[in-house]
Amino acid sequence: AQSVSQHNHHVILSEAASLELGCNYSYGGTVNLFWYVQYPGQHLQLLLKYFSGDPLVKGIKGFEAEFIKSKFSFNLRKPSVQWSDTAEYFCAVNAPPSGTYKYIFGTGTRLKVLA
Amino acid sequence: DTGVSQDPRHKITKRGQNVTFRCDPISEHNRLYWYRQTLGQGPEFLTYFQNEAQLEKSRLLSDRFSAERPKGSFSTLEIQRTEQGDSAMYLCASSPMTSGVTGELFFGEGSRLTVL
Repeated sequence: AQSVSQHNHHVILSEAASLELGCNYSYGGTVNLFWYVQYPGQHLQLLLKYFSGDPLVKGIKGFEAEFIKSKFSFNLRKPSVQWSDTAEYFCAVNAPPSGTYKYIFGTGTRLKVLA
Repeated sequence: DTGVSQDPRHKITKRGQNVTFRCDPISEHNRLYWYRQTLGQGPEFLTYFQNEAQLEKSRLLSDRFSAERPKGSFSTLEIQRTEQGDSAMYLCASSPMTSGVTGELFFGEGSRLTVL
């Protein structure tokens, strides 16, 4: 069965620090990968996604993620965080060749950015 | 606002009662998903529909849970004989079929259930 692991449950950073959040998935076939963000009091929204092509994808608000197939990883990065990046971040995967349109989410990483 | 709409936003009920949640997806979206989220966890997949057909259902969804999407538009999620362990946020999301499996899920604000 597909699963997604996010190793950092809570991260606290100062503004302007660099961010990297880990995401690993377990599925041997072709996958599509996503990062979602949930700002306080708001609904989940898409940050970025990867399904083919350049393994380095850029999303909104200066976020990027790199797909490393050999490591089954899709880590999220941002060179310089802002206070407004305080949110919970979720990695998700689906595996279309398995015939399902189900999206599996990780447990999330809660990021707090100190002003 | 043309986003995904969920109702009610909050529901407090006593153990053993039945509750029903409604989700209105974005109008042109063919796929509709239900997830459950508890504190400190990510969204857990419950079920999804393509138009009115329920295509997949998680083993998490016990016999007390049922979901419908009768006309391929709005959906309902009913929980019968609620238990305290059912307390969670129930999330609905929709996606256009034209986007295939690479598409974005558009989430609603969620319906928070508290079972006393």
